[in-house]
Amino acid sequence: GAVVSQHPSWVICKSGTSVKIECRSLDFQATTMFWYRQFPKQSLMLMATSNEGSKATYEQGVEKDKFLINHASLTLSTLTVTSAHPEDSSFYICSARPKETQYFGPGTRLLVL
Amino acid sequence: QKEVEQDPGPLSVPEGAIVSLNCTYSNSAFQYFMWYRQYSRKGPELLMYTYSSGNKEDGRFTAQVDKSSKYISLFIRDSQPSDSATYLCAMSGSEKLVFGKGTKLTVNP
Repeated sequence: GAVVSQHPSWVICKSGTSVKIECRSLDFQATTMFWYRQFPKQSLMLMATSNEGSKATYEQGVEKDKFLINHASLTLSTLTVTSAHPEDSSFYICSARPKETQYFGPGTRLLVL
Repeated sequence: QKEVEQDPGPLSVPEGAIVSLNCTYSNSAFQYFMWYRQYSRKGPELLMYTYSSGNKEDGRFTAQVDKSSKYISLFIRDSQPSDSATYLCAMSGSEKLVFGKGTKLTVNP
């Protein structure tokens, strides 16, 4: 199956700082990548759809100025959590789709103190 | 009515049992149906992918889709303790995936 990586796997930061998470498709090109967040014992919540070379499409209720997404190449999308606060602490997962289905990265656990 | 309904469990079975996991959905536009397995603190792993109605088998796993009933199933034969995880159904019509809430499965040795 297709492989998607994420970096870092976990990060701890102070409130007010910004955190960048990278998502890479390792063995295929992805014109579309997706960013999700997941709270404990809950399902995945789609945050935004990232399209290579164009602006991301954000889901209702997701602040685009807080969660900056850049999809600069066919294998890399980044999510930057700006001015992070403790309520942003969560598990962030990206996915990429070579065809009709999606392959997920291993996730990034963010803890904001 | 939610687009995708999945019993969250938890489901606990003895090793070797046959496990049946199910989801129902309401959107008749869904054409692509997937099952993901998610271990704790990990990203979801694609287990099975089915297009439209029918059955698909891969080793101990069988996925069934009944579009007329808007019902999909995942069967796990000869379940193993390593199958203990949360299983998520997901489906889409075009681009976005819609997930069920996930069923937590524990297989006891």
